[in-house]
Amino acid sequence: ILNVEQSPQSLHVQEGDSTNFTCSFPSSNFYALHWYRWETAKSPEALFVMTLNGDEKKKGRISATLNTKEGYSYLYIKGSQPEDSATYLCALPINSGNTPLVFGKGTRLSVIA
Amino acid sequence: EAGVTQFPSHSVIEKGQTVTLRCDPISGHDNLYWYRRVMGKEIKFLLHFVKESKQDESGMPNNRFLAERTGGTYSTLKVQPAELEDSGVYFCASSQVVYSPLHFGNGTRLTVT
Repeated sequence: ILNVEQSPQSLHVQEGDSTNFTCSFPSSNFYALHWYRWETAKSPEALFVMTLNGDEKKKGRISATLNTKEGYSYLYIKGSQPEDSATYLCALPINSGNTPLVFGKGTRLSVIA
Repeated sequence: EAGVTQFPSHSVIEKGQTVTLRCDPISGHDNLYWYRRVMGKEIKFLLHFVKESKQDESGMPNNRFLAERTGGTYSTLKVQPAELEDSGVYFCASSQVVYSPLHFGNGTRLTVT
């Protein structure tokens, strides 16, 4: 069973603050890592898919890093805005090849104006 | 391109009744997944189709759940008879190839009373 842990469970930050949260996973049998952003009453939206150790991806003010050897990924948000409020989900495939994703419980971010 | 669509958006039924959820994936996406989120818990995998074939149904809770994808296009998920613990949000997602991001529908919120 693949265990995907996300921390913290929830986070409140002031508008303009930068923040980060963590996704931890078993370092053995790594294939890929997905980050999704899930706003209330909407569908989860893909942010990044990362496959290589040391990979760093960026989309606007959001970036992510990946360390497959130690089994973690960080998601950073620079200069948080109220519209960044959402649940951020991390997910990894169960196995190699065309296999389903296992999701973490998510980090719920609230940005206070 | 049109996104993943799910119908209905909400369904309230009584214990023992039957409900059928529908998912129309993005055209050309061979992979179709059903996931479920029960209140306060992580999104959990139910089933994976590749075209019309069930690739993995290890997440289906029991034989009260039946999924089909006739012709490899849209999919249905039938719950018969529904139980209280079936309440939750049922998400459908589709993807093109291995490790590509999932495209989620808005989900069907099922309430069993």
